[in-house]
Amino acid sequence: AQSVTQLGSHVSVSEGALVLLRCNYSSSVPPYLFWYVQYPNQGLQLLLKYTTGATLVKGINGFEAEFKKSETSFHLTKPSAHMSDAAEYFCATLFTSGTYKYIFGTGTRLKVLA
Amino acid sequence: EAGVAQSPRYKIIEKRQSVAFWCNPISGHATLYWYQQILGQGPKLLIQFQNNGVVDDSQLPKDRFSAERLKGVDSTLKIQPAKLEDSAVYLCASSSAGAGNEQFFGPGTRLTVL
Repeated sequence: AQSVTQLGSHVSVSEGALVLLRCNYSSSVPPYLFWYVQYPNQGLQLLLKYTTGATLVKGINGFEAEFKKSETSFHLTKPSAHMSDAAEYFCATLFTSGTYKYIFGTGTRLKVLA
Repeated sequence: EAGVAQSPRYKIIEKRQSVAFWCNPISGHATLYWYQQILGQGPKLLIQFQNNGVVDDSQLPKDRFSAERLKGVDSTLKIQPAKLEDSAVYLCASSSAGAGNEQFFGPGTRLTVL
């Protein structure tokens, strides 16, 4: 079955440190890939997406992600964490074989320590 | 541009009661999605509309859940009768037609079933 796995339900980093949130997908067909952020009591907001072309994707708020087909991964990174980055992050894929379907990971809650 | 609107924001009901949620997507967006987000999990797609037609409802518990999108604009999701396990946040999202287009999410309706 198609799935998305996010390693680590909670990640803590110090302010200014590297942020790395992991996402792996399962698919025999390269999917579309997304990262969303969710702040408390708000809906999800798109950070970035990969469809085709360049495998390194830059998004909003200094985040970027790299699509690695050989590793079936789409990890999210940010060089320097800011307090305002504290939120929940969801990796999602859009599988396009047959009817297209969005599948979300279980989320990673990022905590930024002063 | 106005975002995706949802109401109510919060709802508390007792099991076996009925409840309805309303969603107004971004103007011009052909595709509308309803997701269920249980605490600690990622959003799960319940139903996807393209204009007023259903594209995917494979994960909608049809014995108790129903949804409609009359005239291809607003949508209503209903649960009848509610069970304890229906406690969740119900998110509505919309996008312009086409695979991979950004989904814009509403703030969600938090349902508590007692």
